[in-house]
Amino acid sequence: EAGVAQSPRYKIIEKRQSVAFWCNPISGHATLYWYQQILGQGPKLLIQFQNNGVVDDSQLPKDRFSAERLKGVDSTLKIQPAKLEDSAVYLCASSLVTSSYEQYFGPGTRLTVT
Amino acid sequence: AQSVTQPDIHITVSEGASLELRCNYSYGATPYLFWYVQSPGQGLQLLLKYFSGDTLVQGIKGFEAEFKRSQSSFNLRKPSVHWSDAAEYFCAVGSLYSSASKIIFGSGTRLSIRP
Repeated sequence: EAGVAQSPRYKIIEKRQSVAFWCNPISGHATLYWYQQILGQGPKLLIQFQNNGVVDDSQLPKDRFSAERLKGVDSTLKIQPAKLEDSAVYLCASSLVTSSYEQYFGPGTRLTVT
Repeated sequence: AQSVTQPDIHITVSEGASLELRCNYSYGATPYLFWYVQSPGQGLQLLLKYFSGDTLVQGIKGFEAEFKRSQSSFNLRKPSVHWSDAAEYFCAVGSLYSSASKIIFGSGTRLSIRP
């Protein structure tokens, strides 16, 4: 069974530029999560999708971050414009159902904002 | 609000020595507890989980953890570490609201192995 796929693995941008990350969850997993992991900290949930609907986006900085999962499968997380403090690893995870704690994580995208 | 505290930022142990990583949680009800491991450049991998029942839970890679309600702790242990165990370890607590699960992670403990 293929795992959670993410791309790109690394991205370097200048502040005020925009960037997008892509995630393809495990086939059949209804729930998709985006986490932000700043160096030296644990992952922090940004947004949770159930199929193509948002379950929780309370921690998403909506003035600059957006995410979508239009067809209920893969997802895109966008930052526009980026700030220095957005430098982090962005992790995508998926689970079979939204009530499950069995989350499977992708390798992450390391973003550096200069 | 739920929270997780990992008091040790970095621990170094000798290969073959025993290991204990500390975790304390704050949660009003019976918590769902997890330990994850993150190797360099890798995603998070679930080591073990506690939902209910036996307070000593076994996980993958020879790890175990013990839930102690009286101490609000869920410490991770391994009797003999291997060089491949060098990684970042995260304790986490789960909560359920509106039928949606949510995991809150601690800040992590980085484990180094001394040859």
